[in-house]
Amino acid sequence: DTAVSQTPKYLVTQMGNDKSIKCEQNLGHDTMYWYKQDSKKFLKIMFSYNNKELIINETVPNRFSPKSPDKAHLNLHINSLELGDSAVYFCASSQVPGQLNYGYTFGSGTRLTVV
Amino acid sequence: AQSVTQLDSQVPVFEEAPVELRCNYSSSVSVYLFWYVQYPNQGLQLLLKYLSGSTLVKGINGFEAEFNKSQTSFHLRKPSVHISDTAEYFCAVSGGYNKLIFGAGTRLAVHP
Repeated sequence: DTAVSQTPKYLVTQMGNDKSIKCEQNLGHDTMYWYKQDSKKFLKIMFSYNNKELIINETVPNRFSPKSPDKAHLNLHINSLELGDSAVYFCASSQVPGQLNYGYTFGSGTRLTVV
Repeated sequence: AQSVTQLDSQVPVFEEAPVELRCNYSSSVSVYLFWYVQYPNQGLQLLLKYLSGSTLVKGINGFEAEFNKSQTSFHLRKPSVHISDTAEYFCAVSGGYNKLIFGAGTRLAVHP
């Protein structure tokens, strides 16, 4: 049983398209995140949801919209894809805010390539 | 604001040699500190964490790290590395709202 699962694992698409990445966790965690890892391996947080409520929204273009239908799912929708969106996107989860004791559990990543 | 600096972007080392990966952090409040490992084409896996108490923290795969508050450092060490330790290693510090702030990563390359 995968704790944090992301789909798809690879995504190749043309500029201007709209795409979604899905994430699900079965750990019972209340908080979920999206991180972006660029070509230089740098990891930067994009969004965080706690129990379906947005609590972190870093400086991310409006083309990126997270959606959390329930606390076990956090999807990422991207409109009008650009070349610079090419990266690996990681979903993660953790226990309730203020209890970072156990760190995050990460998914295996979605490699997005925009051509 | 919190930040993390990993002082070496790449560390080459021979198999069975000791290794130290350096991490310095900046924070005006008490912090939690973490080391994660990323094997090729995989997600990140927690190696170890410092929350409080003993400054020497032991993790998985024989790694350990020492929290040094006066030097604001959290260096990762292993006394004898294996080829299988080749990976990217990330130091991270806790930020507000349960956020983790990552360093730029250190590529550990173990050679036979």
